[in-house]
Amino acid sequence: NAGVTQTPKFQVLKTGQSMTLQCAQDMNHEYMSWYRQDPGMGLRLIHYSVGAGITDQGEVPNGYNVSRSTTEDFPLRLLSAAPSQTSVYFCASSSPTYPNTGELFFGEGSRLTVL
Amino acid sequence: DAKTTQPPSMDCAEGRAANLPCNHSTISGNEYVYWYRQIHSQGPQYIIHGLKNNETNEMASLIITEDRKSSTLILPHATLRDTAVYYCIVRTRSNDYKLSFGAGTTVTVRA
Repeated sequence: NAGVTQTPKFQVLKTGQSMTLQCAQDMNHEYMSWYRQDPGMGLRLIHYSVGAGITDQGEVPNGYNVSRSTTEDFPLRLLSAAPSQTSVYFCASSSPTYPNTGELFFGEGSRLTVL
Repeated sequence: DAKTTQPPSMDCAEGRAANLPCNHSTISGNEYVYWYRQIHSQGPQYIIHGLKNNETNEMASLIITEDRKSSTLILPHATLRDTAVYYCIVRTRSNDYKLSFGAGTTVTVRA
């Protein structure tokens, strides 16, 4: 199993550009989510999904869109990038028994810089 | 979810036990204590969780006080690879999936 795979690992954007961060998992997890982590801070939840076709907002959803057409994939779209979106983005997934176990599996992160 | 308080940083000698405290004085009866760690900006890694009984797994032990207002994560024999940021999180087991990560404790294991 590859686990949770994020692409790209690094990206530089100009203000106003759009892009999609990809997240894929091969563990048949129903739950997937996106977090962002700013320097020296903890992670903040952006969006999450409890299954294909179902998404919901987290703590900091503004400026981001998500969709979940398959169990495996959960892309995060930046509609019009702003410098405030410079951050490290983590995708996480969990088994159908979540939240009973609380165990999230995280990807390695995507480091985004917006100039 | 109840808030948690952790020291911002601590050092530990390699081979010794590392005891990481967490205060969660407003915890309610149906809230669990979870620990994650994040090594050098990698994705966080689940360590352990518990409700009121002490828990142990291959990575660590979790000691929860009887009044559940605080807990301690114990790394029994710290190695250099345990240098990381450790997050203590309190949440209800049937919560709406929103794990809240605070600033955590930066643990540095020294040779």
